[in-house]
Amino acid sequence: DIQMTQSPSSLSASAGDRVTITCRASQTISINLNWYQHKPGKAPKLLIYAAFSLESGVPSRFSGSGSGTEFTLTISSLQPEDFATYYCQQSYNTPWTFGQGTKVDIK
Amino acid sequence: EVQLVQSGGGLIQRGGSLRLSCAASGFTVSAHHFTWVRQAPGKGLEWVSLIYNYGSTYYPDSVKGRFTMSRDTSQNTLYLQMNSLRAEDTAVYYCASYGYIYPDAFDVWGQGAMVTVSS
Repeated sequence: DIQMTQSPSSLSASAGDRVTITCRASQTISINLNWYQHKPGKAPKLLIYAAFSLESGVPSRFSGSGSGTEFTLTISSLQPEDFATYYCQQSYNTPWTFGQGTKVDIK
Repeated sequence: EVQLVQSGGGLIQRGGSLRLSCAASGFTVSAHHFTWVRQAPGKGLEWVSLIYNYGSTYYPDSVKGRFTMSRDTSQNTLYLQMNSLRAEDTAVYYCASYGYIYPDAFDVWGQGAMVTVSS
């Protein structure tokens, strides 16, 4: 199975801050990497697919990069509605696996 | 508008069985791929099952042999039959489409259903 490791596990930030989350895969997964935002009591929401493509309607302050084994999710200017947990997920092969999540909360 | 509406969660004893339902509207379950994903309390997301449009199903080892994903095209509904339930199956279960809009991604989600397995 492909292991996905996110860092950090949590971070505290203020509105307006630039936030970067890293996701590493235990083997190469090309660009088969998706990012989801998850808020308590809600369903997860797809933000970015295929490593760097933004889902329609997702604000442009979100961006993704990387390929192979190392990937990054960046929020250029954190907004109040962005406080949530973020997960990376590999779609290279089954069993599909998620990172452990990065919780972004208010400093 | 495409939508997935879930039902069927609840409290069940260890070793028991439970079936979750996921009714689709705005798209046809036989034409697309679907999946179930769960989140145990205080834990991250875990993929649970997949059904391709042609009917083949896949599961991770953690549920293989105990869970069965199926669909009823007349009801346009997906199901997750869960047998031999364990305490570690306690989680919120989400159904989602796979690659309906965006390739190789879980893109349309149900609202979630809580399953609690008591010991």
